[in-house]
Amino acid sequence: EVQLVESGGGLVQPGGSLRLSCAASGFTVSSNYMSWVRQAPGKGLEWVSVIYSGGSTYYADSVKGRFTISRHNSKNTLYLQMNSLRAEDTAVYYCARGWIQLPFDYWGQGTLVTVSS
Amino acid sequence: EIVMTQSPATLSVSPGERATLSCRASQSVSSNLAWYQQKPGQAPRLLIYGASTRATGIPARFSGSGSGTEFTLTISSLQSEDFAVYYCQQYNNWPPGAFGGGTKVEIK
Repeated sequence: EVQLVESGGGLVQPGGSLRLSCAASGFTVSSNYMSWVRQAPGKGLEWVSVIYSGGSTYYADSVKGRFTISRHNSKNTLYLQMNSLRAEDTAVYYCARGWIQLPFDYWGQGTLVTVSS
Repeated sequence: EIVMTQSPATLSVSPGERATLSCRASQSVSSNLAWYQQKPGQAPRLLIYGASTRATGIPARFSGSGSGTEFTLTISSLQSEDFAVYYCQQYNNWPPGAFGGGTKVEIK
């Protein structure tokens, strides 16, 4: 059974950092496109970042230069390092499998990041 | 960058009735269009991909149609568990993470 479990969310002050994790089971993270998608309170879905099986990474303009996506192959885990956090980064962050030519077919349960002083 | 527009923003439907949701892309996305259902406090769930293929375990009352720039999600007979927010998403053109703004299906 495919499962994605996020962790690492919480309350952080503006300018602070946080690292999110997404532990996968039932498939191999390094063989797939893996994305982070976020949802601000009461708002729609916004794609944040993707990592390709070959290791290439891409980011939404809103987070470029501040967020870094990575993975640990032996732990089968995806990460999102978030630095210089802003109030507008407050959202539930989901990891999901999928990207170009492939829908987001599996999603984690999400982890809430709140940026506030 | 492709913009996905969903209409209506809110759809009020009685249980047992048919619901028709629309999604328009600002340029052609071929058939690389997905629909997701999201209930409060839950992650989105893939319903339809390839514009018309139901994902695993999705009931037959959900159907998708369209190609190019115009797409439709139809729920043939709404059940209580179908009241939720529905999002479309194109995964054809760069960047493929473009979601529509969502349609909330509420009880009439």
